[in-house]
Amino acid sequence: QSALTQPASVSGSPGQSITISCTGTNSDAGAYIYVSWYQQHPGKAPKLMIYDVDNRPSGVSNRFSGSKSGSTASLTISGLQAEDEGVYFCSSYTSSSTWVFGGGTKVTVL
Amino acid sequence: QITLKESGPTLVRPTQTLTLTCTFSGFSLSTSGEAVGWIRQPPGKALQWLALIYWRDDKRYSPSLKNRLTITKDTSKNQVVLIMTNMDPIDTATYFCAHKRCSGGSCYYTFDFWGQGTMVTVSS
Repeated sequence: QSALTQPASVSGSPGQSITISCTGTNSDAGAYIYVSWYQQHPGKAPKLMIYDVDNRPSGVSNRFSGSKSGSTASLTISGLQAEDEGVYFCSSYTSSSTWVFGGGTKVTVL
Repeated sequence: QITLKESGPTLVRPTQTLTLTCTFSGFSLSTSGEAVGWIRQPPGKALQWLALIYWRDDKRYSPSLKNRLTITKDTSKNQVVLIMTNMDPIDTATYFCAHKRCSGGSCYYTFDFWGQGTMVTVSS
């Protein structure tokens, strides 16, 4: 199984909105709603931000939202803040009953 | 409050076998729906899912690594063990264990709590 495809980097100014894409196949992101997004700061464990395409765990800011169209999922961060800097990974459950991650997108707040 | 912590060697020699232990609290792997997974991350690179074990002892492995991986659980000790054979320098990474989300009687295909990770270096 190949990794999900994400852009290497995305940047935006404080207050702006940015969107990160995550493209899979008909065997993973295109087949299920089980797409998740994780935020990772340097030296830290990943933190779950979105699951099942567009659900936020309690405690995650509503500035983070998710969507999916076909095999491409997206994470949008609205009202960008300095603390949003980090690397974001998408993940999907697969038809082989396994999981696959994306390559990661580095978010920079200008 | 769910917590997980990985433990194991920081350095292994090429061709050796790696054994990592995940010790957790806040849930029981004897409870229906619960599961624990392992994910690794080479320095500066992406996350890679490795394996997962369910409460019913059902196991899942990464297709690219399944011949080298074994995952087991000890419910009485609240531990999950990952064994990886024939280690190579390319296996140098931080290894994380994570809880597969179960909340309010519903379970989901995502990981909501992660350990801090343990760095494993493979070198002679």
